[in-house]
Amino acid sequence: QKEVEQNSGPLSVPEGAIASLNCTYSDRGSQSFFWYRQYSGKSPELIMSIYSNGDKEDGRFTAQLNKASQYVSLLIRDSQPSDSATYLCAVNLSGTYKYIFGTGTRLKVLA
Amino acid sequence: EAGVAQSPRYKIIEKRQSVAFWCNPISGHATLYWYQQILGQGPKLLIQFQNNGVVDDSQLPKDRFSAERLKGVDSTLKIQPAKLEDSAVYLCASSPTSGGQETQYFGPGTRLLVL
Repeated sequence: QKEVEQNSGPLSVPEGAIASLNCTYSDRGSQSFFWYRQYSGKSPELIMSIYSNGDKEDGRFTAQLNKASQYVSLLIRDSQPSDSATYLCAVNLSGTYKYIFGTGTRLKVLA
Repeated sequence: EAGVAQSPRYKIIEKRQSVAFWCNPISGHATLYWYQQILGQGPKLLIQFQNNGVVDDSQLPKDRFSAERLKGVDSTLKIQPAKLEDSAVYLCASSPTSGGQETQYFGPGTRLLVL
């Protein structure tokens, strides 16, 4: 059973701090990785996608991928209360068109 | 560009009843996904269509769940008969193709409560 694991949280950070969200996956051949944000009662929306080892930055968000360690992370700089949500990690299973989601990490940014 | 449409938004039924959900993907998107999201969990893929063919339905409980995507556009997911554990949000998503690097766009979901 291919898995994606995340700490369910909640992860609490003060406003203006860096929030670090982590995800590990079991399928060594996976090539595509996604971070979605889900506000309470809403559907997931894509924040970042990453396909190569290293860092990818988009505004206040940075995704980091380490395929050797099967680890992907999301950093949120200058966290705002509006960033309070559940962050879902999704992985495309190698050789398939199937995506596996983690259980999500709930982030709370304290004003 | 219109997003993924789903209806109904909410449904309350009693166990053993039947229910159907409808999804209309973004125009031109070839791939359509149905996910089940139980409270506190991530979305779990139930079935994936590419055009009107099934790509993956390995986690669809086929004794009670069925889905179709006639003409490769909109789709219907049915539960018959419903069980208490089917209470969840049913999310439909679409993507332009199914190449594995595609962004999935989610609809607002249908919240099902089975009593």
